[in-house]
Amino acid sequence: KAGVTQTPRYLIKTRGQQVTLSCSPISGHRSVSWYQQTPGQGLQFLFEYFSETQRNKGNFPGRFSGRQFSNSRSEMNVSTLELGDSALYLCASSPQGTGGLYEQYFGPGTRLTVT
Amino acid sequence: GENVEQHPSTLSVQEGDSAVIKCTYSDSASNYFPWYKQELGKGPQLIIDIRSNVGEKKDQRIAVTLNKTAKHFSLHITETQPEDSAVYFCAAISPGSARQLTFGSGTQLTVLP
Repeated sequence: KAGVTQTPRYLIKTRGQQVTLSCSPISGHRSVSWYQQTPGQGLQFLFEYFSETQRNKGNFPGRFSGRQFSNSRSEMNVSTLELGDSALYLCASSPQGTGGLYEQYFGPGTRLTVT
Repeated sequence: GENVEQHPSTLSVQEGDSAVIKCTYSDSASNYFPWYKQELGKGPQLIIDIRSNVGEKKDQRIAVTLNKTAKHFSLHITETQPEDSAVYFCAAISPGSARQLTFGSGTQLTVLP
């Protein structure tokens, strides 16, 4: 099976712009989670989607949003970018149904740089 | 919410020696504890996990132990090899409405040839 794929792998944006990142989960996985990874804060949970519904949300401002499509592919959007949004954004998929966050498999991430 | 502390932050071992990384968690209701390995330029890779109803789990050279009473769990790597060099993260899931996967701060393991 192909792993989790994320596009683009690298992105440079200017402060104030918005950005959309894409994630394709492992075939058959219906749960998709997003994480932000920075040297200072480590790995932080953003949100989780299952069957096109957001089930869980971390402590991030409303500028961070996401959605999931009927084929389980997911996108996350960050509006009004700030310098502090520079990070590696990771997507993870899980084969679990009701659980969702168990046995998560990560993609390679999208490296976002905000200038 | 859940808080996971991980020690040490860096660990150097000689090839062939064992490596142990320890984590503690705060929420006694947490019931799932995965370990991830992250190599440079890659996403975290799930290497082993354990549920709260199990005290120990082993997979070849890797083992994880869980002490629910003390609220800590450990990763043990035996017969270390240079390719084991990476950053290792522990994590925990706290059930309930949030059900977030909370990560430790990571351990940079270096295996010296």
